[in-house]
Amino acid sequence: KAGVTQTPRYLIKTRGQQVTLSCSPISGHRSVSWYQQTPGQGLQFLFEYFSETQRNKGNFPGRFSGRQFSNSRSEMNVSTLELGDSALYLCASSLAELRNEQYFGPGTRLTVT
Amino acid sequence: AQSVAQPEDQVNVAEGNPLTVKCTYSVSGNPYLFWYVQYPNRGLQFLLKYITGDNLVKGSYGFEAEFNKSQTSFHLKKPSALVSDSALYFCAVRATGGGNKLTFGTGTQLKVEL
Repeated sequence: KAGVTQTPRYLIKTRGQQVTLSCSPISGHRSVSWYQQTPGQGLQFLFEYFSETQRNKGNFPGRFSGRQFSNSRSEMNVSTLELGDSALYLCASSLAELRNEQYFGPGTRLTVT
Repeated sequence: AQSVAQPEDQVNVAEGNPLTVKCTYSVSGNPYLFWYVQYPNRGLQFLLKYITGDNLVKGSYGFEAEFNKSQTSFHLKKPSALVSDSALYFCAVRATGGGNKLTFGTGTQLKVEL
């Protein structure tokens, strides 16, 4: 079975721009979660989507948004980029049952200049 | 609110020696606990989880973890460390009523030396 894939792997953007990151979950996984990883704040939960609905949301400003499509693929969008948004963005998928572990993709490294 | 503490930023161990990476947690209700490992420039790889049942959980690559409810701990262990085990290890907790949100510890860098 193919793992979680994320595109692009690397991205360089300028302050004020917006960016869209994509995540394809493992086949059959309907839950997709997004995390931000930075040296200063560590791993922080952004949001979770299940069956095209946001089921959980972390403490991030409204500039961070996401969506999930009917095939469970997910995108996250960051508008009006700030320098502090530079991070590794990780997507994780899991089966519907909450006792199941999440499987992570390789991440998208976003650099904001 | 749920939280995880990994008190050691780095653990050094000689190859062949046992290793322990510590984790304590705080959560309302029964916890789901996880260990992940991250190699440089990679995502997180799942090692093992505790949901319910036996307090000693066995996982991938010879790792195991012991759940201790009274001490709210979930320490990761391996009887004999390998140089290839050198990586960043994260403990995570999810509350049973908390959806799929994982709260991670700050990570522990494990360095296994010859």
